[in-house]
Amino acid sequence: DADVTQTPRNRITKTGKRIMLECSQTKGHDRMYWYRQDPGLGLRLIYYSFDVKDINKGEISDGYSVSRQAQAKFSLSLESAIPNQTALYFCATSDLRQGGAGELFFGEGSRLTVL
Amino acid sequence: AQSVTQLGSHVSVSEGALVLLRCNYSSSVPPYLFWYVQYPNQGLQLLLKYTSAATLVKGINGFEAEFKKSETSFHLTKPSAHMSDAAEYFCAVTPLGSSASKIIFGSGTRLSIRP
Repeated sequence: DADVTQTPRNRITKTGKRIMLECSQTKGHDRMYWYRQDPGLGLRLIYYSFDVKDINKGEISDGYSVSRQAQAKFSLSLESAIPNQTALYFCATSDLRQGGAGELFFGEGSRLTVL
Repeated sequence: AQSVTQLGSHVSVSEGALVLLRCNYSSSVPPYLFWYVQYPNQGLQLLLKYTSAATLVKGINGFEAEFKKSETSFHLTKPSAHMSDAAEYFCAVTPLGSSASKIIFGSGTRLSIRP
């Protein structure tokens, strides 16, 4: 089983619908992240969390919200989806002890299409 | 502000040829430097990283990268390409002393291997 699991892997929805992407990890890491990948733009940080009580906005948080339900679970919500939120979304974790030199461990991605 | 530039959004080489993927960063202080690889329908995984130790860094699958401070570069190489190397490659930087949440990804280079 993957260390970082994302559900769903693929989702097609309509404009205005609420969508939740879920992420769970078995690596025991405190730090979790949500990224968005668009062709030619690399990965951009949406939100990150250093522990259950710590949530921080990233570069592109508008239109998104997150919830850290437990150390191992971090979900991303789109309250009212719009077509330009069509993208590939990744959850990632990192080890607090490694700091900025630490490796990010990624899930396999959730492809979201908003019609 | 810190930035990272990957020259060439698409690189194509013949099987057995040298692979060279270019990455330059902008920073007066050398940051932490990373190369990640993304195989089709998968998340990113770490190939190698530079954290101010040896300037020539060896990674998985025969890849290596050399940190050159004078050129602010961290190019990725592999002496002999294999069909299984076809993937997208991302260079990334984290400012020295920062947390992993400050990582900045390049726009990616898609590597194709010709038989």
